[in-house]
Amino acid sequence: GQNIDQPTEMTATEGAIVQINCTYQTSGFNGLFWYQQHAGEAPTFLSYNVLDGLEEKGRFSSFLSRSKGYSYLLLKELQMKDSASYLCAPSQDMNYGGATNKLIFGTGTLLAVQP
Amino acid sequence: IAGITQAPTSQILAAGRRMTLRCTQDMRHNAMYWYRQDLGLGLRLIHYSNTAGTTGKGEVPDGYSVSRANTDDFPLTLASAVPSQTSVYFCASSPNRVEQFFGPGTRLTVL
Repeated sequence: GQNIDQPTEMTATEGAIVQINCTYQTSGFNGLFWYQQHAGEAPTFLSYNVLDGLEEKGRFSSFLSRSKGYSYLLLKELQMKDSASYLCAPSQDMNYGGATNKLIFGTGTLLAVQP
Repeated sequence: IAGITQAPTSQILAAGRRMTLRCTQDMRHNAMYWYRQDLGLGLRLIHYSNTAGTTGKGEVPDGYSVSRANTDDFPLTLASAVPSQTSVYFCASSPNRVEQFFGPGTRLTVL
């Protein structure tokens, strides 16, 4: 089965650090993506983890623990433009999901960055 | 064309009408996908295509059909629209085993 759990909403202050957690149960798991989606816009790719550990990319980092079914997205030096929804999306192997690189999306975490 | 495009941007449709949402990519990606996004439900996969000439059903395929005659185009058809198909529809493409690239979306309202 598929189950993805992340907080519905979070609030943080400009310049601060925020961590968005995601737990998942995904058959045929083979990696995890994080996407950012501003209101009224398309999702855009942020990060991809296939192995355990931390991937850093500028102000954004993502962590994965495959054994725990857990990931987090870390946003540093928050800016007002970081106010958006953040979507945790485990990837499912083709033998389970049928589609190449099938993503299972959670409902997302709406982050509000305040001055 | 640069990347992935969708048309129309938005549409209001009477129930029972037929509608085709268009999606075109110029990145030569093999895989393409159609999602719908509804408040509180996240993105749900409708149909997918791993390569030109093949298609498959996602989580919520009922009431929708797709075709993949070539690499670039992946149209989604609603044969007889119903109000529950009111949603934002996103098309995406992927060059296999890496991220999916999303189109700008089509906002569809069925009355």
